[in-house]
Amino acid sequence: GAVVSQHPSRVICKSGTSVKIECRSLDFQATTMFWYRQFPKQSLMLMATSNEGSKATYEQGVEKDKFLINHASLTLSTLTVTSAHPEDSSFYICSARRTGRDEQYFGPGTRLTVT
Amino acid sequence: GEDVEQSLFLSVREGDSSVINCTYTDSSSTYLYWYKQEPGAGLQLLTYIFSNMDMKQDQRLTVLLNKKDKHLSLRIADTQTGDSAIYFCAESIGGTDKLIFGTGTRLQVFP
Repeated sequence: GAVVSQHPSRVICKSGTSVKIECRSLDFQATTMFWYRQFPKQSLMLMATSNEGSKATYEQGVEKDKFLINHASLTLSTLTVTSAHPEDSSFYICSARRTGRDEQYFGPGTRLTVT
Repeated sequence: GEDVEQSLFLSVREGDSSVINCTYTDSSSTYLYWYKQEPGAGLQLLTYIFSNMDMKQDQRLTVLLNKKDKHLSLRIADTQTGDSAIYFCAESIGGTDKLIFGTGTRLQVFP
């Protein structure tokens, strides 16, 4: 149990376009999901906390108008990178916290390349 | 501050034990976690320890926690080549859902 999926696993887009990444908890409900960013050979940096039915909480330095987060159901959160630039190229990982529990379960990640 | 430090690299021979160390700074952390990341993949939760515990053992994994020194370690017994990966420790920030990750330790297991 506690499987989290992400779609797509890999995406290449042109500068100026937007791209949406989905994060789903497949076999449990997740009131809270988290979005992380990981640069090559670096640790994960929390971008935002997504709560079902309410606005996301962004970490300091993360532009909320650029990284739009929607958590419309207990099993799905989406991250939309708007007007993407090459510096947005990164590995984006989501995690989901099972409702009523403390552990976070991570998705397999989405590698975004902006050309 | 919220800095979690790890040594960057560890190399061990197959069959030996591996010990990966982590120091954290938030004394209010409720849980401390160990995650494994294989190349190009997400994170796999290996184990976690509640902050009022000193030790937790789970098959080949042993977690030791020294709250006084804010030091956490992960021991992998009988290390196998399949254990080669990057290992991240993470602390939960007291009163929140947020996790702060360490810098990651790349474990390389050679035959």
